[in-house]
Amino acid sequence: IVLTQSPGTLSLSPGERATLSCRASQSVNNNNFAWCQQRPGQAPRLLIYGTSTRATGVPDRFRGSGSGTDFTLTISRLEPEDFAVYYCQQYGISPVTFGQGTRLEIK
Amino acid sequence: QVQLVQSGSELKKPGASVKVSCKAYGYGLTSYGMNWVRQAPGQGLEWMGWISTNTGNPVYAEGFTGRFVFSLDTAVNTAILEISSLKAEDTAVYYCARKNIVSDAFDIWGQGTMVTVSS
Repeated sequence: IVLTQSPGTLSLSPGERATLSCRASQSVNNNNFAWCQQRPGQAPRLLIYGTSTRATGVPDRFRGSGSGTDFTLTISRLEPEDFAVYYCQQYGISPVTFGQGTRLEIK
Repeated sequence: QVQLVQSGSELKKPGASVKVSCKAYGYGLTSYGMNWVRQAPGQGLEWMGWISTNTGNPVYAEGFTGRFVFSLDTAVNTAILEISSLKAEDTAVYYCARKNIVSDAFDIWGQGTMVTVSS
C-alpha cells in the first residue's frame, strides 16, 4: 500500500492550526493506521494509532481522523515543539508502509 | 521505565558485517514483537521486517532478504540486527520499534544506530 502525504512542507506560526493529509493507494483498516512524529536528530515517536487514539503522553491538541483511503492529522494550536516531520503509517497489510513525510516548519 | 536502548554508531568498510543491538528495559522482550526500520540520510522511514520474540521467527520485507538477519538474545532481553557484505547504500540509521501486543502499533522506538559504510 502506497501512502502519499500532503503537503510536503507546511509553513505555519505557533498558535495556528495544522492539517496534514495522507492518502492510501487502497483501503486501509482503521485499526491499523498511525501517525508518528520525528523531531530533528531524534527517533520517531508514535502519536496516533488506530486512526484516532492518542499514544500515551500525547497532548490532546493532536487529533487523528479518517477512514478507507483518506486520513488526517490535525494539530489544533501549534506549540514550538510541534515543528517536526510527520509520517503516516499503515501496519495492517504486509509490507508495513510509511508515507514520505510532511515537514512542519516555523513560518 | 519502558525503553529500547540501541548500540552505538558504527563505521565499517564495504564487505564487512555489523551487528546492531536493541536492549529492552522495563518489560520482557518475549512479550512483544520487534520491528526494524531503516532511515537513509535525509530520507523517510522504511520497514525492514519484524521478528516474533516468542517464536524467534523473522519476517523480512522485500529488499531485506539474504544479507539481513534478525535474531534474539533472550538471556539479556536484546534483539539483534546483523547486516553482512555491507555496501555504501546500507549507510543509514537503523531503528528497532516494539510491536504493541494489542494494537500492533510501533509504540516504543529505540534511539537509532547510525551505520556508515565507507572505504
